[in-house]
Amino acid sequence: DAGVIQSPRHEVTEMGQEVTLRCKPISGHNSLFWYRQTMMRGLELLIYFNNNVPIDDSGMPEDRFSAKMPNASFSTLKIQPSEPRDSAVYFCASKTGANYGYTFGSGTRLTVV
Amino acid sequence: GEDVEQSLFLSVREGDSSVINCTYTDSSSTYLYWYKQEPGAGLQLLTYIFSNMDMKQDQRLTVLLNKKDKHLSLRIADTQTGDSAIYFCARGAGTALIFGKGTTLSVSS
Repeated sequence: DAGVIQSPRHEVTEMGQEVTLRCKPISGHNSLFWYRQTMMRGLELLIYFNNNVPIDDSGMPEDRFSAKMPNASFSTLKIQPSEPRDSAVYFCASKTGANYGYTFGSGTRLTVV
Repeated sequence: GEDVEQSLFLSVREGDSSVINCTYTDSSSTYLYWYKQEPGAGLQLLTYIFSNMDMKQDQRLTVLLNKKDKHLSLRIADTQTGDSAIYFCARGAGTALIFGKGTTLSVSS
């Protein structure tokens, strides 16, 4: 298995532009998570899905952030409009029903200038 | 205070043992985890411990759990330069994981 695949690996965009981050979870994993990592705040859970259904989006910072999971093999995290304070590494992770932790993707480093 | 707390830095010499400590506030978690992050990479699960255990050993790694004090530690025996990374403690919270801010381990030769 190729693991959790995120794209792009790096994104540089101008303030006000729309940004879409993509994630392909491991086949057979029924939960998917989006995390954001910054030096100041560490790893923050933004939203997670079970069986493609959003369960908890209380970590989504503002209405500018939205996430979708149209099917079991694909999810997106969209920021519109983007702001410099959104600059961070965004990780996607997926997991099976077992409690043995998650498998993380390599992350997308977002820079908003 | 923070839900999961770790010291930020640890520096050791190659061959020594490293001990990374973590404290947490919510004792309801069934599992506690240690993750490793190398530069430019995602988080890799190192090991986990069930909350009714007080120790787990896996090759060079030893996890100790003191549930009364809500304290978790990770000991790496014979630390190598390849162990240099950020180590995250995490607790299970329902389906989600709550992470500490990570401990940067620096190993000098």
